Amino acid sequence: DTEVTQTPKHLVMGMTNKKSLKCEQHMGHRAMYWYKQKAKKPPELMFVYSYEKLSINESVPSRFSPECPNSSLLNLHLHALQPEDSALYLCASSGHRDAGKFFGPGTRLTVL
Amino acid sequence: SQQGEEDPQALSIQEGENATMNCSYKTSINNLQWYRQNSGRGLVHLILIRSNEREKHSGRLRVTLDTSKKSSSLLITASRAADTASYFCATDSTGGFKTIFGAGTRLFVKA
Repeated sequence: DTEVTQTPKHLVMGMTNKKSLKCEQHMGHRAMYWYKQKAKKPPELMFVYSYEKLSINESVPSRFSPECPNSSLLNLHLHALQPEDSALYLCASSGHRDAGKFFGPGTRLTVL
Repeated sequence: SQQGEEDPQALSIQEGENATMNCSYKTSINNLQWYRQNSGRGLVHLILIRSNEREKHSGRLRVTLDTSKKSSSLLITASRAADTASYFCATDSTGGFKTIFGAGTRLFVKA
């Protein structure tokens, strides 16, 4: 299985809502990533987990809270988001540092 | 934050022609990767070239890397309509994990 899955595909939420994005891979990859991508822009790194520990936080606002329950799962908890947080949120995994990444299809998030 | 620039920003060619995209970056790197993205969905990893390599091939793809000029190019030969997509270069600095993407080139291949 060489796939990264993400749920949901689309999410619309209000600024007071709490929601979660989920990501799963079964390739045995020990590094997992969250990226945010605005329209016609490149993906921007948000968080990196290595061996289920948070390795990199690119100064992301605390209204985004990542979680890595086990080596196959990665969550992104969302709370009190702003309309400017509307974007495509991409999850990725890699087998080791010096390797290409496998990306999921993304969750398209709209904050009203 | 973006690592560098890609050139051109957009490219329109006829099916069968070759497409060349360039990428420049700013810092020392461990490797450089190229990705394709269709219609704002997930990215697909195309090829990775390490900092001690100068050229790499994969099917219709040819990637070159010039670390002295901090630049790379991606050549797609005999392009097809299905190659229509955005192409991004991305760099891993020494230590890995922190992959930073360039601005991307939007390629349109006309049938």
